[in-house]
Amino acid sequence: QKEVEQNSGPLSVPEGAIASLNCTYSDRVSQSFFWYRQYSGKSPELIMSIYSNGDKEDGRFTAQLNKASQYVSLLIRDSQPSDSATYLCAVRENSGGSNYKLTFGKGTLLTVNP
Amino acid sequence: EPEVTQTPSHQVTQMGQEVILRCVPISNHLYFYWYRQILGQKVEFLVSFYNNEISEKSEIFDDQFSVERPDGSNFTLKIRSTKLEDSAMYFCASSELRDTQYFGPGTRLTVL
Repeated sequence: QKEVEQNSGPLSVPEGAIASLNCTYSDRVSQSFFWYRQYSGKSPELIMSIYSNGDKEDGRFTAQLNKASQYVSLLIRDSQPSDSATYLCAVRENSGGSNYKLTFGKGTLLTVNP
Repeated sequence: EPEVTQTPSHQVTQMGQEVILRCVPISNHLYFYWYRQILGQKVEFLVSFYNNEISEKSEIFDDQFSVERPDGSNFTLKIRSTKLEDSAMYFCASSELRDTQYFGPGTRLTVL
């Protein structure tokens, strides 16, 4: 059973601070990693994807991947109250064939305090 | 910006009734998916669909569930005889290739 683990939080940070969200996964063949943001009662909204070891930056967001440690993280710089949401880590294996499903973690609830 | 749409936004049904949830994927996308999220729980994969056939399904997707692409734009999920435990948010997603999946707004299914 492939598992994706996240600290459920809540993670509380002051406005303007850096929020750090972490995710570990159990399946070594996992190759593609995604961070989604989900506001309460809404659908997952893609923030970033990352496929290679290292860092990937997009605006205030930086995703970090370490395949050897089976670890993915998301940093949010200059956190804003509008960033308050649940952040979902999702993992997909590229084992060939037609297996493209995403396996999600339960999510980390982030609260940014004004 | 193109987006996945879903109807209805909320469906209330009696246990044992059939429901059909509808989705219009992004127009140039080739892969289609259904996920569900029971309140307070993880988003769970149900089924993926490519080239007019199911490419993978989870153990949740039993004989009570079916999917169809009846025309060039719609993608539907049918639950033949709903149970109380089918109450959840159902999300449709699509992707252009074997890549990033974009989610629709969801249908909240309530089974009474």
